[in-house]
Amino acid sequence: DTEVTQTPKHLVMGMTNKKSLKCEQHMGHRAMYWYKQKAKKPPELMFVYSYEKLSINESVPSRFSPECPNSSLLNLHLHALQPEDSALYLCASSQVRVTGVEGYTFGSGTRLTVV
Amino acid sequence: GQNIDQPTEMTATEGAIVQINCTYQTSGFNGLFWYQQHAGEAPTFLSYNVLDGLEEKGRFSSFLSRSKGYSYLLLKELQMKDSASYLCAARSGNTPLVFGKGTRLSVIA
Repeated sequence: DTEVTQTPKHLVMGMTNKKSLKCEQHMGHRAMYWYKQKAKKPPELMFVYSYEKLSINESVPSRFSPECPNSSLLNLHLHALQPEDSALYLCASSQVRVTGVEGYTFGSGTRLTVV
Repeated sequence: GQNIDQPTEMTATEGAIVQINCTYQTSGFNGLFWYQQHAGEAPTFLSYNVLDGLEEKGRFSSFLSRSKGYSYLLLKELQMKDSASYLCAARSGNTPLVFGKGTRLSVIA
């Protein structure tokens, strides 16, 4: 299995809703990432988990809450979002130490719209 | 910190060759990646360079000069499906990838 699977593919939520984005990989990668990408912009790093522990939080607002329940799963819990949070949310995974041609493997993303 | 610069947009003709440049400034350089991203889809890995020189993979090649902080992605025999954004990303030490703003390539007939 060489894929990162993200669900749902599309999500529309109100500003008072609570929702979760899910990401799953079975490549044995022990580093997992959440990126946010606005239209015509590059992906921006939000969180990094290394060996199931949060290692980097890029000053993300607390309305985004990541969770890594095991080495294959990564969740992003959403609560009280703002319309400007509408974006493509990308999950990626890699070896903890990226060497050679591996790079990151990205999921296909969740297109989030906050209304 | 890191600074990555690449052109915003390029247009090229089907069947032609196009070179997308990327310059970077980073401490503890540990690799330069190129990704392709079609609109609304995930980035897909194209190439990785950590040593100076040219890496060739079919129609795509990537070049790196560490002393100049410079890389390029060369696409040959362009096809319409190559219309996409091309993201240059640099790695510093073992920190996560930082992406450039991406180059939107339009391939025209």
